[in-house]
Amino acid sequence: DGGITQSPKYLFRKEGQNVTLSCEQNLNHDAMYWYRQDPGQGLRLIYYSQIVNDFQKGDIAEGYSVSREKKESFPLTVTSAQKNPTAFYLCASSTRLVETQYFGPGTRLLVL
Amino acid sequence: AQKITQTQPGMFVQEKEAVTLDCTYDTSDQSYGLFWYKQPSSGEMIFLIYQGSYDEQNATEGRYSLNFQKARKSANLVISASQLGDSAMYFCAMREGLYTGTASKLTFGTGTRLQVTL
Repeated sequence: DGGITQSPKYLFRKEGQNVTLSCEQNLNHDAMYWYRQDPGQGLRLIYYSQIVNDFQKGDIAEGYSVSREKKESFPLTVTSAQKNPTAFYLCASSTRLVETQYFGPGTRLLVL
Repeated sequence: AQKITQTQPGMFVQEKEAVTLDCTYDTSDQSYGLFWYKQPSSGEMIFLIYQGSYDEQNATEGRYSLNFQKARKSANLVISASQLGDSAMYFCAMREGLYTGTASKLTFGTGTRLQVTL
């Protein structure tokens, strides 16, 4: 089945620790995105990538980093510089022909 | 100013009735796209419907239709014949500017929680 997978479903971070959230898609989509969702809020764009080895900052990139070494994968690292990382993180992807973004199931990050 | 405004934090509708979820947007671009997504309690965002700014007809997808009033800058979602499974958060989102076939940056509203009752 084609789709977007995110792992883990829940992730716990200790103070001062970097953590990496996985996002994989087998839809052959060119563009991939990372969003953050806080309780009672809409989604905010963290980073996006149009093609392999290229990515751009979104609206709230501070404290996050990404890589795009393969078309299928777009991992997000939440660094220790991100002081308020507790949130729900959603990955999405889209094709060139159709801009509609399709989302993965999300990862909930909690700080211990 | 908010680019996407959803003024209804919560809505109730009886099963089999129709419901309208409001969305107003703010942009100075002539070319833009409007999206509606559904987020069940599981958290995944499910795409429902899309309306382009140059589309003359309102978009429809099954029980979903988008009431697009360009002059009023509104893009309300209409769900007909509500079902219990429609209970979820609903988000309106906008892409500003022309889509160039690469990535599409979306701005989301704060959402409306819809509860369908028997």
